[in-house]
Amino acid sequence: QVQLVESGGGLVKPGGSLRLSCVASGFTITEYYMTWIRLAPGKGLDWVSYISSTSTYTNYADSVKGRFTISRDNAKNSLYLQMNSLRAEDTAVYYCARSTSSSGLFDYWGQGTLVTVSS
Amino acid sequence: DIQMTQSPSSLSASVGDRVTITCRASQSISSYLNWYQQKPGKAPKLLIYAASSLQSGVPSRFSGSGSGTDFTLTISSLQPEDFATYYCQQSYSPPITFGQGTRLEIQ
Repeated sequence: QVQLVESGGGLVKPGGSLRLSCVASGFTITEYYMTWIRLAPGKGLDWVSYISSTSTYTNYADSVKGRFTISRDNAKNSLYLQMNSLRAEDTAVYYCARSTSSSGLFDYWGQGTLVTVSS
Repeated sequence: DIQMTQSPSSLSASVGDRVTITCRASQSISSYLNWYQQKPGKAPKLLIYAASSLQSGVPSRFSGSGSGTDFTLTISSLQPEDFATYYCQQSYSPPITFGQGTRLEIQ
């Protein structure tokens, strides 16, 4: 069955870096747009970034542009999020999710990985 | 960016109750409105897409309606497994945006 499993979260100091991974099974990520979405404590869901099925297109929320980089490894059926220059406001559970094309309709999500940015 | 406002932010109800959650967009989004359910520690689950279409496998007690700026999610008869947080999301115009969530609690 379709499954998305995130990893790589943890505690990091402000200004630090983390790399999140999302391993997909039950489907081939080359057929889907893949997206990172986060849920900060006490807040709603917040779109972070997406990458197109062919990796031709990527897009980022203004709040992370220039600091985060999304990528994918089709051979490993995996999605990544490189997060640099982390700030306290990046503290959140990060989810990966898939959608068909750029529809913005997410039919499967992972269970998330917690990123905590604190000194 | 399109702002999505849900009401109420929290709701207490009993098993068997009919419950309605409202979502309002800051501008017209046609029918590009989706609803998700999330339980603590679990992945969000797609319930309704395109405002009123039921995702495969979702019980028929869930329904959605609306277009333009005003939308509703209705649960016709609450079951114990329905106590969760519900989010609306617009997919009309990037960046996609979500409502702040409605926490549905057992009364």
